[in-house]
Amino acid sequence: KAGVTQTPRYLIKTRGQQVTLSCSPISGHRSVSWYQQTPGQGLQFLFEYFSETQRNKGNFPGRFSGRQFSNSRSEMNVSTLELGDSALYLCASSFTPGPMNTEAFFGQGTRLTVV
Amino acid sequence: AQSVAQPEDQVNVAEGNPLTVKCTYSVSGNPYLFWYVQYPNRGLQFLLKYITGDNLVKGSYGFEAEFNKSQTSFHLKKPSALVSDSALYFCAVRDVVLLTGGGNKLTFGTGTQLKVEL
Repeated sequence: KAGVTQTPRYLIKTRGQQVTLSCSPISGHRSVSWYQQTPGQGLQFLFEYFSETQRNKGNFPGRFSGRQFSNSRSEMNVSTLELGDSALYLCASSFTPGPMNTEAFFGQGTRLTVV
Repeated sequence: AQSVAQPEDQVNVAEGNPLTVKCTYSVSGNPYLFWYVQYPNRGLQFLLKYITGDNLVKGSYGFEAEFNKSQTSFHLKKPSALVSDSALYFCAVRDVVLLTGGGNKLTFGTGTQLKVEL
């Protein structure tokens, strides 16, 4: 069974540009969450999608957005990039966002560098 | 608000010795706790979880964790460390408030770098 696939693995962008990251969850998983990992702030929750609907959102500016498609694949977009957006962006998939013991499985991440 | 604390930035242990990586939590209600491991330039790998039941939880790669409600701790343990266990370990708790609404948000600790030496 294939794991969580994130593309691309590495990106270099210039300040002011925008970027789109993609995440394909494990087959059958319908919940996708995104996290930002930086040395200074650690792992921070961005947002979560289920059935094409955003369920939860973290404390990030509106420049960070996402969406989920009918096949559960998800994309996140960052507009007007800033140097501080340089980070490892991780996608996690879960079977459902239900209340029980559904652990999240993470992709290998996309390393975004803003110059 | 819930939180997770990992009091040690780094833990050093000799190969073959037992290891412990500490985690304490603060939640309202029942905790849903997880341990993940991260190797350099990689994503997080799920190790184990505590939802309910036995306080000693067994996970992948010989790891286990002990849930202690009175001390609000969920320490990760392994009886005999390997050099290949050297990695960054994260403790996490699922958001209980969001949980009831079907949320899946995880709050992570700051991570503990485990270094296992020969």
